Amino acid sequence: AQTVTQSQPEMSVQEAETVTLSCTYDTSESNYYLFWYKQPPSRQMILVIRQEAYKQQNATENRFSVNFQKAAKSFSLKISDSQLGDTAMYFCAFWNAGNMLTFGGGTRLMVKP
Amino acid sequence: NAGVMQNPRHLVRRRGQEARLRCSPMKGHSHVYWYRQLPEEGLKFMVYLQKENIIDESGMPKERFSAEFPKEGPSILRIQQVVRGDSAAYFCATGQGAFMGNTEAFFGQGTRLTVV
Repeated sequence: AQTVTQSQPEMSVQEAETVTLSCTYDTSESNYYLFWYKQPPSRQMILVIRQEAYKQQNATENRFSVNFQKAAKSFSLKISDSQLGDTAMYFCAFWNAGNMLTFGGGTRLMVKP
Repeated sequence: NAGVMQNPRHLVRRRGQEARLRCSPMKGHSHVYWYRQLPEEGLKFMVYLQKENIIDESGMPKERFSAEFPKEGPSILRIQQVVRGDSAAYFCATGQGAFMGNTEAFFGQGTRLTVV
């Protein structure tokens, strides 16, 4: 079974600065997808970024980028130029050839003005 | 095109009562996944349904929980004889087909169930 671990329950960052959220996972599969989801206070789950394990290039979406280290089974999210609207819970998630996403326990990010 | 609709947003039940949670997929979506989020935890898979069929219920407790997705109408997650430990946020995610890594699962805003 796959497991996803987020070791930082809470983090904070000053507005306009950069923050990195950590995620590690465990799997014996060779191809899979990794995701970061954002959950603001509204509880809506919003897909932030996705990475396919076979792709060596790290995914980027505007201010969001990942550092995917396949051998280390690490998948961190970097948020640049943090904005107040980035305040939310962030969940790392894993999927492979099964029916469901496996989520980590989440990191609560607070962006301070 | 309306998004995934879940109702109610908040539901309070006394111990022993039944809770019925509804999920209306986006138009054209015939696959539904239910997840449960306990306080301060990530989402945990419960059940995957296609119209009129349960595909995978490996994450759903064997007792008191059931799910359906009829030909017409929303998907229903039913919890009978609720206990305090059932208090959680319940999310559904829907798609046109089975979720694949390169497709998107569209989540509803969840139903927060509180058992008193």
